[in-house]
Amino acid sequence: DSGVTQTPKHLITATGQRVTLRCSPRSGDLSVYWYQQSLDQGLQFLIQYYNGEERAKGNILERFSAQQFPDLHSELNLSSLELGDSALYFCASSTQRGGTDYNEQFFGPGTRLTVL
Amino acid sequence: AQSVTQLDSHVSVSEGTPVLLRCNYSSSYSPSLFWYVQHPNKGLQLLLKYTSAATLVKGINGFEAEFKKSETSFHLTKPSAHMSDAAEYFCVVSDETSYDKVIFGPGTSLSVIP
Repeated sequence: DSGVTQTPKHLITATGQRVTLRCSPRSGDLSVYWYQQSLDQGLQFLIQYYNGEERAKGNILERFSAQQFPDLHSELNLSSLELGDSALYFCASSTQRGGTDYNEQFFGPGTRLTVL
Repeated sequence: AQSVTQLDSHVSVSEGTPVLLRCNYSSSYSPSLFWYVQHPNKGLQLLLKYTSAATLVKGINGFEAEFKKSETSFHLTKPSAHMSDAAEYFCVVSDETSYDKVIFGPGTSLSVIP
């Protein structure tokens, strides 16, 4: 158990809908990362937050957004969903801010999103 | 720009035989390199990391990897495979220019035959 929790475990929805994925980092970790894992694209970094502020952006679509709250949990919002958004979404946390202090990331179990 | 190539999408070994999972990277700067493992229906777990200290890095569960700058490689090895090693393995690169944007390789699926 990594100490990172993600809810829900599974989510089934229809095209055009909007969903919110939730992540609680390990106790004491200030950084939260979001990743998308799909069969055709592999594992892709989406976005990172550090202590409530956006720190880095990866291959995140404009239809997707995220935020980190004062209690450090994070939410990933996916809107106008398309079939191709079906994937496993991972959250990870670390103690470090990023930059030259890259450190181990602890991954949650993931949320499997199915868009029908 | 950085990139990661995992040369084998699938590797199959017999239990008790050596494991070799190959990874080559491209980075304009001094990279940090990592191997993560993902067991079925689980999140990823760090196996080991290289951050410009010793070139031979030892990780958990008997795995190790050697950083070879001249070959731009960071292959993962284990002397003797166990059934529990069956999983997906990801090689990851990050460098000084974009530590925040870690790049994951496509993954190598390891099967262990009894």
